[in-house]
Amino acid sequence: GAGVSQSPRYKVAKRGQDVALRCDPISGHVSLFWYQQALGQGPEFLTYFQNEAQLDKSGLPSDRFFAERPEGSVSTLKIQRTQQEDSAVYLCASSYGGVQPQHFGDGTRLSIL
Amino acid sequence: DQQVKQNSPSLSVQEGRISILNCDYTNSMFDYFLWYKKYPAEGPTFLISISSIKDKNEDGRFTVFLNKSAKHLSLHIVPSQPGDSAVYFCAARGPNTGNQFYFGTGTSLTVIP
Repeated sequence: GAGVSQSPRYKVAKRGQDVALRCDPISGHVSLFWYQQALGQGPEFLTYFQNEAQLDKSGLPSDRFFAERPEGSVSTLKIQRTQQEDSAVYLCASSYGGVQPQHFGDGTRLSIL
Repeated sequence: DQQVKQNSPSLSVQEGRISILNCDYTNSMFDYFLWYKKYPAEGPTFLISISSIKDKNEDGRFTVFLNKSAKHLSLHIVPSQPGDSAVYFCAARGPNTGNQFYFGTGTSLTVIP
């Protein structure tokens, strides 16, 4: 079966532009997570969905970051008015929920010039 | 504030020998711990987990040990193989962390043939 799919794999944008990152979770996984991974660091939690409900967005660094999962499947992470400090790898993970392990996509590497 | 710490950024081990990767945490409420393995340009892959009701979990060549009083866990790989060369992340969560998993900064393991 297919794993977690993220697109695009690489994104270069100019400072001030808006970007949208897509995540296709594993079919049947109700939980979906977004993480930000800076160079040399571990993944840092951004937000969590259970089906279509965004239950936790405490990790989003500013109101420029917005995530949605309108039908409880595909999710989009949007970053408005990008800044250089937004440059990172953005990882999406999904799971059946609870204490089930999360399965990660390969990430989107975002570079802001 | 780093709640999960991996103090060794890198480790080199001879093929066939034991690899021991260490992880410390500060939140005594953490009750579920995972290890992930990450190859370059790929997302983390789940390796093994342990809940706080156990002090050891074994899966083939991989064993995770948990010392709750010391807030320390370790991953043992025996025997180490060149294909084990990757970055290893430990992660933890607890009943007071919502759905957030906290990740360490990773240890880069090199297994020398």
